[in-house]
Amino acid sequence: SQTIHQWPATLVQPVGSPLSLECTVEGTSNPNLYWYRQAAGRGLQLLFYSVGIGQISSEVPQNLSASRPQDRQFILSSKKLLLSDSGFYLCAWRALAGMYNEQFFGPGTRLTVL
Amino acid sequence: DAKTTQPPSMDCAEGRAANLPCNHSTISGNEYVYWYRQIHSQGPQYIIHGLKNNETNEMASLIITEDRKSSTLILPHATLRDTAVYYCIVRGTGGGNKLTFGTGTQLKVEL
Repeated sequence: SQTIHQWPATLVQPVGSPLSLECTVEGTSNPNLYWYRQAAGRGLQLLFYSVGIGQISSEVPQNLSASRPQDRQFILSSKKLLLSDSGFYLCAWRALAGMYNEQFFGPGTRLTVL
Repeated sequence: DAKTTQPPSMDCAEGRAANLPCNHSTISGNEYVYWYRQIHSQGPQYIIHGLKNNETNEMASLIITEDRKSSTLILPHATLRDTAVYYCIVRGTGGGNKLTFGTGTQLKVEL
């Protein structure tokens, strides 16, 4: 069966510090991968998606970047965090061979920037 | 992608059916209706999807009107663990298969 992992579960970082969040998927190959952010009391916002290794599409201009160094690894990064980067970060995957938009979400990382 | 409209909140008594409506009057012929839910502090969970026929799985039933301009998600016997935000999303395929989450309906199941 397929599983998706995210770490860390929670993170507190000072403004201006770097960020690296990791997401890995097991039990599937060539998945579509997605990074979402949910600010406190708000809906989910799609940040990046990837259809293959090294292929990243950015949905909104921001202080963050994403990379996909391996087929089942998706990394979210920042060189200098802002207060507005605080939120709940969720990684999701979708089977590339699937016809439908059934996405499976990880447990999320709660980031607080102070 | 077609826009969806959902009530911001609903209450339901435990054991009763919860009927969550969604309007998607601008849906096009190749777009599916998806339902996800998000329990507090967790990632969203896929529930069900449909194109034009009614669908049922172990979690819920999806009723889509004949003109496809609205749909209803039915949780037949709601429990306290069904308390969550429910999102109705309309989407076709391709283009990275992205999902656009709105604000959803906060369902509160009470004793």
